[in-house]
Amino acid sequence: QKEVEQNSGPLSVPEGAIASLNCTYSDRGSQSFFWYRQYSGKSPELIMSIYSNGDKEDGRFTAQLNKASQYVSLLIRDSQPSDSATYLCAVNARGADGLTFGKGTHLIIQP
Amino acid sequence: ETGVTQTPRHLVMGMTNKKSLKCEQHLGHNAMYWYKQSAKKPLELMFVYSLEERVENNSVPSRFSPECPNSSHLFLHLHTLQPEDSALYLCASSQGASGSYEQYFGPGTRLTVT
Repeated sequence: QKEVEQNSGPLSVPEGAIASLNCTYSDRGSQSFFWYRQYSGKSPELIMSIYSNGDKEDGRFTAQLNKASQYVSLLIRDSQPSDSATYLCAVNARGADGLTFGKGTHLIIQP
Repeated sequence: ETGVTQTPRHLVMGMTNKKSLKCEQHLGHNAMYWYKQSAKKPLELMFVYSLEERVENNSVPSRFSPECPNSSHLFLHLHTLQPEDSALYLCASSQGASGSYEQYFGPGTRLTVT
């Protein structure tokens, strides 16, 4: 069974610090990886996609992928209170058309 | 704000009712999806459509019946639901059905089955 694991949190980070969110996945053949942000009562919003090993940066966000270790992470620099949300890791498993999601990490940025 | 719209936003229905959820995407995408989000559980993929043809059905009970009349519209027909079907139902679309494409979600329909 294809699984995506995330620490549910809450992860509490002071404002201005770096928030680090981690995700592991079980299907070694997975090829596409996504991070979504979901505010309470809202739908998931795509933040980043990553397909190759290494880092991908977009503004304050950096996604990191290590396929050998089967983990993907999201770093948020200069964290703001508006970053407080649940962050969902999603993986496209081999041969699948949809995404497999983790349960999400609840992030709290403390002013 | 979003290129994917869903109606209704909230729905309360009895177990003997029949209702339909509607999704429309304005992004020119070719693939559409239904996901279910229950409390304390990860998003679960229900159905995938590519160019109006169903390409994946994730062992969903037959009381959920999808319909995709064209690449911009997706429906989820509901009948004889159970209380455990209460959840947030999310529609998403992507450029193609391959999982390598980014998926964009609509605002969701909050369904309560009484």
